Amino acid sequence: GAGVSQSPSNKVTEKGKDVELRCDPISGHTALYWYRQSLGQGLEFLIYFQGNSAPDKSGLPSDRFSAERTGGSVSTLTIQRTQQEDSAVYLCASSSGAPSGSFGPGTRLTVL
Amino acid sequence: AQSVSQHNHHVILSEAASLELGCNYSYGGTVNLFWYVQYPGQHLQLLLKYFSGDPLVKGIKGFEAEFIKSKFSFNLRKPSVQWSDTAEYFCAVRMDYGQNFVFGPGTRLSVLP
Repeated sequence: GAGVSQSPSNKVTEKGKDVELRCDPISGHTALYWYRQSLGQGLEFLIYFQGNSAPDKSGLPSDRFSAERTGGSVSTLTIQRTQQEDSAVYLCASSSGAPSGSFGPGTRLTVL
Repeated sequence: AQSVSQHNHHVILSEAASLELGCNYSYGGTVNLFWYVQYPGQHLQLLLKYFSGDPLVKGIKGFEAEFIKSKFSFNLRKPSVQWSDTAEYFCAVRMDYGQNFVFGPGTRLSVLP
């Protein structure tokens, strides 16, 4: 079946611009996670959605970052006024009731 | 804050050597444990997972991991590595059901042909 998909696969933007990254989770998965992987770094948790509960935003690095999940399905991660340190691969994962995650291919963001 | 540590940043082995990658976490409660693998140019894939029961878990591609609760460890093992096992390996812990995954920093494995 279809896995987690993310778009765009690559995004190059100029410092100060806003970007939106999209995640389409596996159909029926109630949980959705955003992580980022910077060059040479591990995976950094950003935000977690579970069903209709309030999202866990504890990993968002600044108020320039926000995410929403519409209708319990598609999620959009928005980064406002991008900075060079935002350059990373942004990964989305989704899971069903069982606690394991299927990851998407990621969006590589480059801020010039 | 809960954390996950992986003992080695980069491991270099020859083909047929045995592999053990360490993973420790800091949390005294119930955990779900995972190992993910990221092959070069590919996205993260689940290698194996532990929820409950037998602490020795078998995964794909000949990998296994052992949960030792008293040591807060979940080490990954493979008796004989192949060149195709070259990848980055991430240990992840889910502290309570419904919470997010906490990932270790990853261990890069290079297998020399």
